[in-house]
Amino acid sequence: TQLLEQSPQFLSIQEGENLTVYCNSSSVFSSLQWYRQEPGEGPVLLVTVVTGGEVKKLKRLTFQFGDARKDSSLHITAAQPGDTGLYLCAAGVVDAGNMLTFGGGTRLMVKP
Amino acid sequence: EAQVTQNPRYLITVTGKKLTVTCSQNMNHEYMSWYRQDPGLGLRQIYYSMNVEVTDKGDVPEGYKVSRKEKRNFPLILESPSPNQTSLYFCASSKKGYNQPQHFGDGTRLSIL
Repeated sequence: TQLLEQSPQFLSIQEGENLTVYCNSSSVFSSLQWYRQEPGEGPVLLVTVVTGGEVKKLKRLTFQFGDARKDSSLHITAAQPGDTGLYLCAAGVVDAGNMLTFGGGTRLMVKP
Repeated sequence: EAQVTQNPRYLITVTGKKLTVTCSQNMNHEYMSWYRQDPGLGLRQIYYSMNVEVTDKGDVPEGYKVSRKEKRNFPLILESPSPNQTSLYFCASSKKGYNQPQHFGDGTRLSIL
């Protein structure tokens, strides 16, 4: 099983600040997904990146897949209280079919 | 509405008493899986199924069983639950393919005393 490490594990910031969450591995992946999970609910997909160097934007969220496809980052600009939640990265490999390896998660709290 | 439904949402039970957590999806997805979520460990896969009558072990299958008799249902069975199986459990489904989005249920919180 490939290991995905997320950092930081916890992040507490004020509304309006910027932040970056990292997802790293020593293995190469075919795809990388980011999910957000809110209390009492299951994770919900934010984005999928599949090409090395790919950058995707979702409003104030910017996702990047590393050139070597071993790492990814999620950057949030001007964080809002509604961004509070657990952010999970999940990696897939073509040979493994639908199986995903999840990182340990980053718990973000944005205070008003 | 497209969804994955798990039942029960919460269960407190005792060691050794068999229990089943049901999972049903209405999206005609081929792939279904079960995860457990524990603090600091993220989501770890228990079992998965690529299609009807096809199941396989994930990373932490010990103490669990599954079945896939129908495409829409994928129950998780704990034959003899133990306290170390106290956790938050999620069922997920998706279309086939390595980059398909996983659709998760809202979770089942199990406490084994």
